[in-house]
Amino acid sequence: EAQVTQNPRYLITVTGKKLTVTCSQNMNHEYMSWYRQDPGLGLRQIYYSMNVEVTDKGDVPEGYKVSRKEKRNFPLILESPSPNQTSLYFCASTTWGRKNNEQFFGPGTRLTVL
Amino acid sequence: AQKITQTQPGMFVQEKEAVTLDCTYDTSDPSYGLFWYKQPSSGEMIFLIYQGSYDQQNATEGRYSLNFQKARKSANLVISASQLGDSAMYFCAMSSKAAGNKLTFGGGTRVLVKP
Repeated sequence: EAQVTQNPRYLITVTGKKLTVTCSQNMNHEYMSWYRQDPGLGLRQIYYSMNVEVTDKGDVPEGYKVSRKEKRNFPLILESPSPNQTSLYFCASTTWGRKNNEQFFGPGTRLTVL
Repeated sequence: AQKITQTQPGMFVQEKEAVTLDCTYDTSDPSYGLFWYKQPSSGEMIFLIYQGSYDQQNATEGRYSLNFQKARKSANLVISASQLGDSAMYFCAMSSKAAGNKLTFGGGTRVLVKP
């Protein structure tokens, strides 16, 4: 079954404690991305990756890091989380083609930073 | 830059009736894609339908259809025969090569289906 998995699904942490949210896809997609969703602001892209070792900033990259060492994995790293990073996070993957342009989303990670 | 606008923050619809969700977009790239997603209260993002800028016909997927009016830069979603399970948040989004294939989302429309 084609899917994007994220872990953890829920996380409560404290300011300054480094954390990593993992993302993995089994569809051999080149393009992966991270979004955060906040009330009234919709989904905003944090970082994206066009392929292994190719990453770039999205609209709201401050306070986040990513890496793409393998095609299937695209972890999101918060080196020193702050309360304004409390949000719902989505990982997504896609392969761009004439007909097949669906972005597959992970189930989401709800993060609370105290 | 690409931009998506959804002007309806929320709407009610009677069960079994059709509902149209508005979406307008702006981009200077002639090659782009338009998407609609559904987000139920459980939080996951569910892909509904896709329309390419060069597609001649409006996209349809079951009870979902996309009313694509290129000259007006609109991509409205029509849900026919609404069901209680259609109650959710709906997001319009677009991507374009010029924007690095990034998905840009609108603010969403909350739909509540009344029995």
